[in-house]
Amino acid sequence: GESVGLHLPTLSVQEGDNSIINCAYSNSASDYFIWYKQESGKGPQFIIDIRSNMDKRQGQRVTVLLNKTVKHLSLQIAATQPGDSAVYFCAEQKTSYDKVIFGPGTSLSVIP
Amino acid sequence: NAGVTQTPKFRILKIGQSMTLQCTQDMNHNYMYWYRQDPGMGLKLIYYSVGAGITDKGEVPNGYNVSRSTTEDFPLRLELAAPSQTSVYFCASSYEGVHEQYFGPGTRLTVT
Repeated sequence: GESVGLHLPTLSVQEGDNSIINCAYSNSASDYFIWYKQESGKGPQFIIDIRSNMDKRQGQRVTVLLNKTVKHLSLQIAATQPGDSAVYFCAEQKTSYDKVIFGPGTSLSVIP
Repeated sequence: NAGVTQTPKFRILKIGQSMTLQCTQDMNHNYMYWYRQDPGMGLKLIYYSVGAGITDKGEVPNGYNVSRSTTEDFPLRLELAAPSQTSVYFCASSYEGVHEQYFGPGTRLTVT
């Protein structure tokens, strides 16, 4: 069945370093992959998405990499800041009109 | 724009009681969603709607009902509350075919 999961449940990073959050997915039919950030006590917030016909997409301080061969997705955050401390969810979607399936999340802690 | 608003913020129910979680969005989004998030876990889709008058089940619909009489409102109804429904409930909305979902602040529900 469909599933999206994460390799590491928690990640601690020194301020200023780069962070890499990984995600494994099992549904090769998914066409879209999305990253969300959830700060404590708030609802998730969209960060970036990537379509399956791409292997890399860059945003502001973030880069998402997609490796369809091994069904792996990663979110790279450059120069991690204290405000980046949050839980990060990867999610997948078969088509842009289908429901979104969320993974369990990775908690990122930034050490000042 | 207020975005997605949810009421109440917190609620404690006794087993067997009923309640409605309210969700309103002012962005004229046609897609709306209800998720639940258990402690330390990801988001599970309960119900979603692609437009007024249309609703569909998500991953965990049992024990819940929804209606979508207007574009703006998407209430979630719990008829016979059970301890297993203790969770944080998030409402979200999006444009058709767009991956960015806008989330409300959540309702924290405890059933005892």
